[in-house]
Amino acid sequence: DGGITQSPKYLFRKEGQNVTLSCEQNLNHDAMYWYRQDPGQGLRLIYYSQIVNDFQKGDIAEGYSVSREKKESFPLTVTSAQKNPTAFYLCASSIALNTGELFFGEGSRLTVL
Amino acid sequence: GNSVTQMEGPVTLSEEAFLTINCTYTATGYPSLFWYVQYPGEGLQLLLKATKADDKGSNKGFEATYRKETTSFHLEKGSVQVSDSAVYFCALSFQGGKLIFGQGTELSVKP
Repeated sequence: DGGITQSPKYLFRKEGQNVTLSCEQNLNHDAMYWYRQDPGQGLRLIYYSQIVNDFQKGDIAEGYSVSREKKESFPLTVTSAQKNPTAFYLCASSIALNTGELFFGEGSRLTVL
Repeated sequence: GNSVTQMEGPVTLSEEAFLTINCTYTATGYPSLFWYVQYPGEGLQLLLKATKADDKGSNKGFEATYRKETTSFHLEKGSVQVSDSAVYFCALSFQGGKLIFGQGTELSVKP
């Protein structure tokens, strides 16, 4: 089945450690996105990518990094510089940038111990 | 700036009750409007959309009408089921612009 796969589903991290969240899609979509979800705050855009080897900062990029070496893959690294990393992270894709119709993965829940 | 405001949750209903979740927006111009749904422990799914004034989006018994005069896109369903329990997000976007989400409204349907 076509879709977006995020891993791991749950992740625990000690303070000061970097962690990388995986996002893979087999929908042949050009655009990919990372969102952060916190209770009662909706979704906030971290980074997005329109095409391979290109990505742009979203509204809350500080403390995060991404890469887009392959069309199918858009991993997110949560660095030690992110002051409050405990959250639910959602990856999404769309046929083209900002069409409004996004396909989401099931999310990764990161907890900092 | 552009923004979306949803009614606060949680909304608790009995099975077969009528559902309305209010959504209003602030935008310069005429955006496309969306409702997304997030079931427990999952990512979001597009539920319905409308791209111009007076359009009605519908899916799975849910409906929403794009009202330009009141800048609203309220979500309705005539008879909710327990399986409709989820968080519902209203969102807007302009052509080529990013998707802007409301804060989400949690719906809980009791048997």
